[in-house]
Amino acid sequence: DAGVTQSPTHLIKTRGQHVTLRCSPISGHKSVSWYQQVLGQGPQFIFQYYEKEERGRGNFPDRFSARQFPNYSSELNVNALLLGDSALYLCASSSSSLRYRGFYNEQFFGPGTRLTVL
Amino acid sequence: DAKTTQPNSMESNEEEPVHLPCNHSTISGTDYIHWYRQLPSQGPEYVIHGLTSNVNNRMASLAIAEDRKSSTLILHRATLRDAAVYYCIPMGAGAQKLVFGQGTRLTINP
Repeated sequence: DAGVTQSPTHLIKTRGQHVTLRCSPISGHKSVSWYQQVLGQGPQFIFQYYEKEERGRGNFPDRFSARQFPNYSSELNVNALLLGDSALYLCASSSSSLRYRGFYNEQFFGPGTRLTVL
Repeated sequence: DAKTTQPNSMESNEEEPVHLPCNHSTISGTDYIHWYRQLPSQGPEYVIHGLTSNVNNRMASLAIAEDRKSSTLILHRATLRDAAVYYCIPMGAGAQKLVFGQGTRLTINP
């Protein structure tokens, strides 16, 4: 079975440009989350979407936005790129919200998109 | 979110047991303790989770202190493939996100 897929794998942009990153969750998973991982640090939560609705947002500026499509795939958009946006962007899917009826739903991560802003 | 403290790095030898500690003294009574690991050039992957009692699965064991202020992830026989950054993550009821700290970078020597 295919795991979480992300595209592109690598991307180079210049300051001020915008970028769109894509994620396809595991088949049957309805929840997608986005994380940013700066070199040498743990991933930081950006967004969670469940059933096409935003369910959580991390401490990121409004330049970051996301959406989820009817097939549960997702896009992360970043406008007006800054040098500090250079990072590995990770997408994770789970079958339901993270804690559904008290049961934990394991999150499955994709390999990430490496974004470099010059 | 409960604060966690983990050693920055640890080193062990192949086929030996590894004990990875985590302090989470501010954990609440309903927080589960989750462990994820991140292999080089990959996204994090789930390892194990527990609430109060010790837990075992095919990957590892999780030993939780009686006061729940600390836990230990146990790899019974480390392999080279276990070299990764290991993250201890308390998660409260209704949480919608994983809060990663710095984690412990585990090196396995052949």
